[in-house]
Amino acid sequence: GDSVTQMEGPVTLSEEAFLTINCTYTATGYPSLFWYVQYPGEGLQLLLKATKADDKGSNKGFEATYRKETTSFHLEKGSVQVSDSAVYFCALNGGSSASKIIFGSGTRLSIRP
Amino acid sequence: GAGVSQSPSNKVTEKGKDVELRCDPISGHTALYWYRQSLGQGLEFLIYFQGNSAPDKSGLPSDRFSAERTGGSVSTLTIQRTQQEDSAVYLCASSFQGRETQYFGPGTRLLVL
Repeated sequence: GDSVTQMEGPVTLSEEAFLTINCTYTATGYPSLFWYVQYPGEGLQLLLKATKADDKGSNKGFEATYRKETTSFHLEKGSVQVSDSAVYFCALNGGSSASKIIFGSGTRLSIRP
Repeated sequence: GAGVSQSPSNKVTEKGKDVELRCDPISGHTALYWYRQSLGQGLEFLIYFQGNSAPDKSGLPSDRFSAERTGGSVSTLTIQRTQQEDSAVYLCASSFQGRETQYFGPGTRLLVL
């Protein structure tokens, strides 16, 4: 079945550092790919998405490109802030999963001032 | 416009009791989903509704779990004879028709003593 594998956490970085959180997926068909974020004490929010190969999703300085050839959707940000501290989930839907979202295990990111 | 709402926000119950969790989706969204977020299992899909019918119930962990949706809007997730392993955050999400972005509610945190 469909699955998502993402970088184990926790990840700790200093403010203004470059961030990459790796995500790869397995799916049949043509899934849409997502990054969701969960800030401390808050609900799950959509951060960005891409619906087809080579699409780039972006929001709040974060970017991820849908790479079909490497089945990847890595999350990047050029300069992180303390306020980016959260848990990040890579996810997919569509493919053989119909409408349900398949989530990765989540990566906890902590940013030091 | 209101987002997805869930009630109660927190629920503490004793092992063996039944609980009902409620979800109000975004107005006009025909697709509704229940997920569970627990420490050991991450984010897991439970059930998907399109209108009032549930074409995918594959994630319900046992026959103690059931869900219904009425009027194409509100949904209730019922857990009978709760067990300690049912302790988790139960998340509801909705989307416009089923293959678009899912928007999540704040969740119900369930603790079974």
